[in-house]
Amino acid sequence: NAGVMQNPRHLVRRRGQEARLRCSPVKGHSHVYWYRQLPEEGLKFMVYLQKENIIDESGMPKERFSAEFPKEGPSILRIQQVVRGDSAAYFCASSPDGNSPLHFGNGTRLTVT
Amino acid sequence: GESVGLHLPTLSVQEGDNSIINCAYSNSASDYFIWYKQESGKGPQFIIDIRSNMDKRQGQRVTVLLNKTVKHLSLQIAATQPGDSAVYFCAENSGGSNYKLTFGKGTLLTVNP
Repeated sequence: NAGVMQNPRHLVRRRGQEARLRCSPVKGHSHVYWYRQLPEEGLKFMVYLQKENIIDESGMPKERFSAEFPKEGPSILRIQQVVRGDSAAYFCASSPDGNSPLHFGNGTRLTVT
Repeated sequence: GESVGLHLPTLSVQEGDNSIINCAYSNSASDYFIWYKQESGKGPQFIIDIRSNMDKRQGQRVTVLLNKTVKHLSLQIAATQPGDSAVYFCAENSGGSNYKLTFGKGTLLTVNP
């Protein structure tokens, strides 16, 4: 059984460019979450989505960041006009409902140069 | 509290010994706690969880203890193996929802053969 799949594993962007991070949840999971991890820190919650709906985006920066989970296809975390401070590992997780333990992918490591 | 993002606490043990990793959580209202293991370059892997109506829960080679009086959580690993070497994070649902986890700073466990 495939777990949470994220791509790309590594992404390098210059300041001002856009970053698009993709996440395919565990088969059968309709709840997706994005977290961000800075070096030597724990993960911080960003957003919680179900198919076509944003349930909780309280951890998302107010500008430049957006997320979607369309009816078909993977969830996308989009960062516009990236800055150096956006460099981090971005992890996606999924679960079959909003209360079960989260299963994380291996992350996308974004480097902004 | 917020992670400073500097050096991780570390624990070094001999193969075959038992390991105890400790965590002080921050929010007395949290009622769900999880331990995750994170290997280098990978996402957090669920180990075990516990709800606040319990003070102990056992899994395969792992035991989690919860002391709500002093807001302390511990993970015990029996007969530690080299494959257990990783960073271990405790997480709490301080936001009240089981998907919005607040992660601790992490402890680096090194198992010496």
